[in-house]
Amino acid sequence: DAKTTQPPSMDCAEGRAANLPCNHSTISGNEYVYWYRQIHSQGPQYIIHGLKNNETNEMASLIITEDRKSSTLILPHATLRDTAVYYCISRGGGKLIFGQGTELSVKP
Amino acid sequence: NAGVTQTPKFQVLKTGQSMTLQCAQDMNHEYMSWYRQDPGMGLRLIHYSVGAGITDQGEVPNGYNVSRSTTEDFPLRLLSAAPSQTSVYFCASGYTGGVSNQPQHFGDGTRLSIL
Repeated sequence: DAKTTQPPSMDCAEGRAANLPCNHSTISGNEYVYWYRQIHSQGPQYIIHGLKNNETNEMASLIITEDRKSSTLILPHATLRDTAVYYCISRGGGKLIFGQGTELSVKP
Repeated sequence: NAGVTQTPKFQVLKTGQSMTLQCAQDMNHEYMSWYRQDPGMGLRLIHYSVGAGITDQGEVPNGYNVSRSTTEDFPLRLLSAAPSQTSVYFCASGYTGGVSNQPQHFGDGTRLSIL
């Protein structure tokens, strides 16, 4: 499983888009990119995942660069409840290996 | 659908005591795993299983035992608890094989303190 790199913290104004970057330059061809978030000390919550194409669901959008070496999670209209630690994980089946994640603070 | 259920939610042990943390899932997932999370840190993989009767070690397996006798259950055992095992423990489950790209689901955690 490829290693991912994320900024340790970010701020975002309520109602604005939150763009969370992730670097996964060693990702292999069959590895997906997953995003989870953890609010307080709750269990991680799945957000979105993708392989090559950009993806969108009711929670977020995932933009993956053409070379697949980086991606961006977009929360289109961040709310205070989106304050959490966001984890970007690359995985080729089986184990999820978590890094330190990005602590997103949404401010009024 | 209950998803992934962990029991107990909280536990306090004395050093040297033994304990089993329970994890059950009702989604017929082949893959199950245990993580620990220490304050201010990400989750670290302890043990995982790709199906009944099959287990393997993760990043931090020392001091923990697991077994997988059924698809639904994946208990984590501390044989002789140590203060360094004070942590929050999360269980997760997911698919393997051709649909292994589907997301894994996590339980709400067990908060364990060892005095």
